This record gives sequence, C-alpha cells and structure tokens, in this order.
Amino acid sequence: EAQVTQNPRYLITVTGKKLTVTCSQNMNHEYMSWYRQDPGLGLRQIYYSMNVEVTDKGDVPEGYKVSRKEKRNFPLILESPSPNQTSLYFCASSLAGRSWEQYFGPGTRLTVT
Amino acid sequence: TQLLEQSPQFLSIQEGENLTVYCNSSSVFSSLQWYRQEPGEGPVLLVTVVTGGEVKKLKRLTFQFGDARKDSSLHITAAQPGDTGLYLCAGARNYGGATNKLIFGTGTLLAVQP
Repeated sequence: EAQVTQNPRYLITVTGKKLTVTCSQNMNHEYMSWYRQDPGLGLRQIYYSMNVEVTDKGDVPEGYKVSRKEKRNFPLILESPSPNQTSLYFCASSLAGRSWEQYFGPGTRLTVT
Repeated sequence: TQLLEQSPQFLSIQEGENLTVYCNSSSVFSSLQWYRQEPGEGPVLLVTVVTGGEVKKLKRLTFQFGDARKDSSLHITAAQPGDTGLYLCAGARNYGGATNKLIFGTGTLLAVQP
C-alpha cells in the first residue's frame, strides 16, 4: 500500500530535550516536505527536500532541522524544543511536476511543556 | 502574508443542503488542489485543477478553477454527514526552474448535521 508513515503519532516532551520525528514514504517520490498545522494559521511549510541531499527552508524553519540521506526518509529534528513548537506536524511527499500533489502522513501531535 | 483566503471559515448545515466554499487569491497559480482532512488524520487529495476555467466533478462535489487561475470554488450538492471535515485549498506557484511551492489556505471547517 502506497503510504507516508510518521512516528511517533503523539509525543509529550519537556523544553530543551532533543527529539526526532521520523517520516518515510514508499512511493519513490522525489519531493518531501514538513508542515505544521496550528488553529487559525493553517498548514505552514517548515522545510522541504527536492531530492536526496537537497533541502531548503520553508516558511517557518526556525528551531527545526532536517536531513535527506535516503530518498524514502525525511526526519524532522528539534534540537531544543520550546513550548511554541507545540503543534500538529505533517510529513508529505509528492512527485516533482506541475501539479505537486501531496500525499500526507497521519500526523504527529507534539506537546512541549 | 496569507496568499490564499478561504471562505467561509466555518459552515454548519443540515443533511441534504447545498453549499459552496471559496478559495481566493490575488496571485496566479499553475495549479490548484483541494484536500479534505478528517480529525486525527492527514489531508487527503480530492482533486487538482490546472487549466483556467476548468470544472471537475467528483460524485456530488464540483470543483472550478477561475479563468485567471487566481481562485477556485468547491460546490457540494445534497451534503451528507460523511462530507464533514476540514476542506483545504492549495495553490502551486512556480518560482523558476524546478522550484515550486505549494501554498495552503486556512481551511473551511464543514459540519453536516444528520
């Protein structure tokens, strides 16, 4: 089954404790992206990757890191989480092309206390 | 700056009613997508429209892309409780070469009461 998987689905952590949210897709998509979703603000792009070893900042990259060492994986790293990073996070992948149709993972709800 | 404005933000209707959701921008998009998101899940693509003036139908859902490719609408006929969810539009903009960016609207939360 074609899908994007994320882990963990739920995470409660404390300020400053490094964490990684994993993302994996099995559709051989070149393009992968991370979004955060907050009430009233919609989906905002954090980072994206056009292909292996090619990453770039989205609209809200501060406080986040990513890496793309393999085509299928695109982990999101929070080196020192803060409460304002409490949010619902989505990983997405797509084929590069005119339409850029996104396939989303199930989401990771992160709470930073 | 929010480039894609959706209206209404919230909509609560009775089963069987018709409704229209709007997605507006001052920017031109190379394509526009509509997604539906249910609680606890990621958005799921419903349709992509590419050509100005294009109309696509998906059962009781009709999607239209504006002639100038700056706006879109989603019309649902005879809404069902299963249509309940957050509807998101997203416009793709080309920034030159292979670089493209997808911009999401803030969403329309639809509740269809039985």
